[in-house]
Amino acid sequence: KAGVTQTPRYLIKTRGQQVTLSCSPISGHRSVSWYQQTPGQGLQFLFEYFSETQRNKGNFPGRFSGRQFSNSRSEMNVSTLELGDSALYLCASSLEGLGGNTIYFGEGSWLTVV
Amino acid sequence: AQSVTQPDIHITVSEGASLELRCNYSYGATPYLFWYVQSPGQGLQLLLKYFSGDTLVQGIKGFEAEFKRSQSSFNLRKPSVHWSDAAEYFCAVSTGNQFYFGTGTSLTVIP
Repeated sequence: KAGVTQTPRYLIKTRGQQVTLSCSPISGHRSVSWYQQTPGQGLQFLFEYFSETQRNKGNFPGRFSGRQFSNSRSEMNVSTLELGDSALYLCASSLEGLGGNTIYFGEGSWLTVV
Repeated sequence: AQSVTQPDIHITVSEGASLELRCNYSYGATPYLFWYVQSPGQGLQLLLKYFSGDTLVQGIKGFEAEFKRSQSSFNLRKPSVHWSDAAEYFCAVSTGNQFYFGTGTSLTVIP
C-alpha cells in the first residue's frame, strides 16, 4: 500500500511569491492534515480537511490555505511568501480524522524562501 | 491550553543501553497519544499510539510506551538501543480537532 506522497520535495521561492504544495493520501483515507516544521517553532498544526471541507484549523494567518479534492488529494497554498515561511511542510492522512485514528505522515516538502 | 512537553532536548546513550524518553501533556480529558521518529531530512514515522485500554503499548522497532494518567505522562522506552535508533523523537497529542507536538528529543547513540 503506497504511503502519503508529497510533491514537490524541494522548492525555492522568492519573497512575495506564492506556492502550492500537493499531497496524495493513503488510499482510502479521507482526512488530510498539514503541518509546518521549523527549527524555531517546531512542528505546528496548520489545518485538516475531510471530505473536501476544512474541519479544523491551527493558528496560522490567512495566507495559508488549502483545499481537498473529491479523490481526497489535497493542496496547500501559501501566498505572499515571507522569509519565515521557509520550512518543512508535512502532510498526513488518516481514515477518519485526528481523533482515535492512526495518522501517517509523508516525507514532506522543503520550502526555501529567498 | 493544551501542550506537550518533552523535557529532554538531547539524550546520549551507549549502544545496548536502555532508553527512556519523557513526555508530559496538558489536556483536560484523556487524549490520543503518539510517538513519532524522524530521521534527518525525512518525514515522521509512527512508532506507537495509545487511544484506550491497556496503558502499556508496544510499537515497532522494539519500542514501548506507558500511559500514566495520574502523571499525565506517556514515556517511551526501549530496553536495548541500536545505533540505527539515532534520530529525533516526537511525542504528540491529538484532542480530536487539534494535533500538538512536543519540541522533540534528539537521540545520539555512541558505540
